Amino acid sequence: DAGVIQSPRHEVTEMGQEVTLRCKPISGHNSLFWYRQTMMRGLELLIYFNNNVPIDDSGMPEDRFSAKMPNASFSTLKIQPSEPRDSAVYFCASSFGGGGEDTQYFGPGTRLTVL
Amino acid sequence: SQQGEEDPQALSIQEGENATMNCSYKTSINNLQWYRQNSGRGLVHLILIRSNEREKHSGRLRVTLDTSKKSSSLLITASRAADTASYFCAPGRPSGSRLTFGEGTQLTVNP
Repeated sequence: DAGVIQSPRHEVTEMGQEVTLRCKPISGHNSLFWYRQTMMRGLELLIYFNNNVPIDDSGMPEDRFSAKMPNASFSTLKIQPSEPRDSAVYFCASSFGGGGEDTQYFGPGTRLTVL
Repeated sequence: SQQGEEDPQALSIQEGENATMNCSYKTSINNLQWYRQNSGRGLVHLILIRSNEREKHSGRLRVTLDTSKKSSSLLITASRAADTASYFCAPGRPSGSRLTFGEGTQLTVNP
């Protein structure tokens, strides 16, 4: 069974451009999480969905960030416009169940560089 | 804070030695999970210990849990260079909350 799939794996863009990151969770999982990781701030939870509904988006840094989950097998994280401080590795994770005790399965991440 | 706090922040040992990492947390839990992250990769679930368990083994991993002290430890025996990674603990709480991750322990195993 394939794990969590993220695309692209690497993205280099210029400041002001729109960036869209994509995630396909593990089939059958009903919770999906977007994280951002930097050396300075560590691993930060941006938003998570349960049954395609956003439950907690308090980690989304500002209005430039938005996330959608149109169906159980696909989610996007969009940054518009992008800024150099958005450079980070973005991880998507999924879990079976919406509880705080459920094991999360992480994707390989998207390394974003904003010039 | 709902996240676990790992200690030490960094640990450097020689291949063959044992590595011990600790985790403390503040609220009641249903389970506690340990994850590993190799450089540039996503976190990988290693082991889960339930709140009614005191010790659990998986291969070279040994996890203990002391709910009275709100602490856990992860022991890696006979370490290998491939064990070099960051290790995170995540206290698992009942439904309605979510798993959270701390800063991790950076383990370096020197060949």
